[in-house]
Amino acid sequence: QKEVEQNSGPLSVPEGAIASLNCTYSDRGSQSFFWYRQYSGKSPELIMFIYSNGDKEDGRFTAQLNKASQYVSLLIRDSQPSDSATYLCAVKVDSNYQLIWGAGTKLIIKP
Amino acid sequence: DTAVSQTPKYLVTQMGNDKSIKCEQNLGHDTMYWYKQDSKKFLKIMFSYNNKELIINETVPNRFSPKSPDKAHLNLHINSLELGDSAVYFCASSRAGETGELFFGEGSRLTVL
Repeated sequence: QKEVEQNSGPLSVPEGAIASLNCTYSDRGSQSFFWYRQYSGKSPELIMFIYSNGDKEDGRFTAQLNKASQYVSLLIRDSQPSDSATYLCAVKVDSNYQLIWGAGTKLIIKP
Repeated sequence: DTAVSQTPKYLVTQMGNDKSIKCEQNLGHDTMYWYKQDSKKFLKIMFSYNNKELIINETVPNRFSPKSPDKAHLNLHINSLELGDSAVYFCASSRAGETGELFFGEGSRLTVL
């Protein structure tokens, strides 16, 4: 069974620090990796995707992918209270049309 | 201008009733989805349509019936509602093949009493 695992948290980080969110996946055939942010009571919103090993940066966000170790992470630099949300990791195996979702990590940024 | 819109946002109903949720997207996407998010926040795909054709039909009770009259609309009808159907139902859309880059609607919170 294909699985995506995340620590449910909550992960508490002081404002201005780096928040590090991790995700592991079971299927070595996984090709595409996505991070969604979901504020309480709202819908998920795509914030980053990564396809290749290494780092991908977009503003304060950096996605890191290590296919050998089967993990993907999201770093948020200079964390702001507005970053407080649940972060969902999703993985796509290209042979399969579907996304496999993690259960999400709740992030709390403390002012 | 809302990209993916769902109606209604809230439904409260009794067990055994039938209800429908409607979804429309104005992004020009070819693929639309229904997802269910339970109380533990776990997202689970239910159905996906590509250009009106059903392409994903997960293990969902056949009380749930999707319908796509055109590629911009995807509706969900639920018969004989049960307590376990209580959840938030999200509609989403994407470009064809870009199944990871989803645009979600605001969600429809269904409560079955």
